[in-house]
Amino acid sequence: DADVTQTPRNRITKTGKRIMLECSQTKGHDRMYWYRQDPGLGLRLIYYSFDVKDINKGEISDGYSVSRQAQAKFSLSLESAIPNQTALYFCATSDPGLAGGGTGELFFGEGSRLTVL
Amino acid sequence: AQSVTQPDIHITVSEGASLELRCNYSYGATPYLFWYVQSPGQGLQLLLKYFSGDTLVQGIKGFEAEFKRSQSSFNLRKPSVHWSDAAEYFCAVEGDSSYKLIFGSGTRLLVRP
Repeated sequence: DADVTQTPRNRITKTGKRIMLECSQTKGHDRMYWYRQDPGLGLRLIYYSFDVKDINKGEISDGYSVSRQAQAKFSLSLESAIPNQTALYFCATSDPGLAGGGTGELFFGEGSRLTVL
Repeated sequence: AQSVTQPDIHITVSEGASLELRCNYSYGATPYLFWYVQSPGQGLQLLLKYFSGDTLVQGIKGFEAEFKRSQSSFNLRKPSVHWSDAAEYFCAVEGDSSYKLIFGSGTRLLVRP
């Protein structure tokens, strides 16, 4: 089984619908992230969480919300989806990072492709 | 603010040829630098990282990268490319915030038989 699992892997929805993307991990990491990938733009950080009670906005959080239900679970919601939220979404986990004495490596899920019509 | 530039959107090389993917960063202090690879339909996987010490770092799959402070660069190299190396490659920098990576826009590598 994958260390970081995202569901669904693919989703097509309509403008205005509420969508939830779920992420679960077995790495035992406290830190979890949601990124969005668009062609030519690389990965941009939407939200990140350092532990269950710590949630922070990334660079493109507008139109998104998150929930950290447990150490292992981090969900991303689009309350009212719009077409420019069509993208590939990645969940990732990490230890505290190089500056925090960790390895700095991010572990990614396989991605959730979302299409908003 | 830190940033990462990957000037090449696409690169095509022949199988067996050498490869160099460029990465330039902007950051005031010594950065932590990473290269990730994304195979089709997959998430990203760490190839290698630099945080201190020897400026030439070795990674998985035969890749290496060299940190050049004077040029603010961290270019990825491989002496002989295999068809399975076809993928998208991302350079990333972690700054003193220690909470996130900033990714470049990626370079897609195509390998000719």
